[in-house]
Amino acid sequence: SAVISQKPSRDICQRGTSLTIQCQVDSQVTMMFWYRQQPGQSLTLIATANQGSEATYESGFVIDKFPISRPNLTFSTLTVSNMSPEDSSIYLCSVTDRGDIGAFFGQGTRLTVV
Amino acid sequence: QKEVEQNSGPLSVPEGAIASLNCTYSDRGSQSFFWYRQYSGKSPELIMFIYSNGDKEDGRFTAQLNKASQYVSLLIRDSQPSDSATYLCAVSGGFKTIFGAGTRLFVKA
Repeated sequence: SAVISQKPSRDICQRGTSLTIQCQVDSQVTMMFWYRQQPGQSLTLIATANQGSEATYESGFVIDKFPISRPNLTFSTLTVSNMSPEDSSIYLCSVTDRGDIGAFFGQGTRLTVV
Repeated sequence: QKEVEQNSGPLSVPEGAIASLNCTYSDRGSQSFFWYRQYSGKSPELIMFIYSNGDKEDGRFTAQLNKASQYVSLLIRDSQPSDSATYLCAVSGGFKTIFGAGTRLFVKA
């Protein structure tokens, strides 16, 4: 399985500011995803990070709010823009090479917006 | 809307017992099925995957799939206190994975 390094692990941010979360994988992977997990809830897919092109966003998530970059096959960033307290959540990077054998997750970023 | 449904629990079992976790899904086109374990404050960890009808065993874990009933289950034999966690059922029709809300399992020593 791939080793995924996600940072920061946690942050407390002021409303109206932005935070960029980084996801670094120790090997090239086909697919990278960004999920959000709110307290006591399951994982909600934000977007698929596409290498060299714009990310594919799920319903309810937009590029202006959650810009994503993926410059190569081992690295991606998610920015949470113009934050509000409702953005307080855990953000998770996930990678897979084959959809039929499951995905692996980074350690997560616990974001609190005050 | 594709959905994955799980009983949120908590499911409480004594140490050494069999824990049975269940999941149903709505998309008949789903091809791959997963169970993830998530300890409190940690990220999900893949423990089993299955894509053929029937049973798949890995150590103390058995995943069961019934595509006709759109039903997936996970059995944990000889449950240990260290198995106490939230178990997430997940379903995929390709690369994109949909997760259930998870079942909290408590194994009492």
